[in-house]
Amino acid sequence: DTAVSQTPKYLVTQMGNDKSIKCEQNLGHDTMYWYKQDSKKFLKIMFSYNNKELIINETVPNRFSPKSPDKAHLNLHINSLELGDSAVYFCASSQVEGLNTEAFFGQGTRLTVV
Amino acid sequence: GNSVTQMEGPVTLSEEAFLTINCTYTATGYPSLFWYVQYPGEGLQLLLKATKADDKGSNKGFEATYRKETTSFHLEKGSVQVSDSAVYFCALRGGAGSYQLTFGKGTKLSVIP
Repeated sequence: DTAVSQTPKYLVTQMGNDKSIKCEQNLGHDTMYWYKQDSKKFLKIMFSYNNKELIINETVPNRFSPKSPDKAHLNLHINSLELGDSAVYFCASSQVEGLNTEAFFGQGTRLTVV
Repeated sequence: GNSVTQMEGPVTLSEEAFLTINCTYTATGYPSLFWYVQYPGEGLQLLLKATKADDKGSNKGFEATYRKETTSFHLEKGSVQVSDSAVYFCALRGGAGSYQLTFGKGTKLSVIP
């Protein structure tokens, strides 16, 4: 069983379009995250949700809007896509209580904006 | 805030060579430390972790020791294989008021036969 799954794995779209990436975890974790990995492999946190509530919102354009319908799902919606949004986006989950527990990552969504 | 600094790559080694990837951190309190590995085209997988000072994490021949006095968590392997070629990320979690993972910039390792 896949612990953290995200769809789609690849997404190619034109500038100006709106797109969504979905993420689901079956680990029973209470916190989910979105990370962006740039072409140099640098990982930067974008959002974090704990029990469906936003708790971290780093400096991210407001074209990016996370939505958490329940604590097992955290979707990422992107409006008016720009060339600079091209990257790999990773969803992750963890249990907040017990800081020695690791985060589990999805396989990533490679977004290419043309 | 928390931060992680790891050695710049890329690192290229011959098979069976000894590997060290340096990692140092800045954090308040007592964070947990992790090494993640990303194989080509895949997501991140936990390689090993240590949750308190002097703990040693180990997995698949890799080791790292949590050194509070030097704020370091260097990754080592005695004999690398071609299949170890990947990007390695040092990360920390915890410390005062911070439960999110903070990553280093990653070190790309290439092992040649």
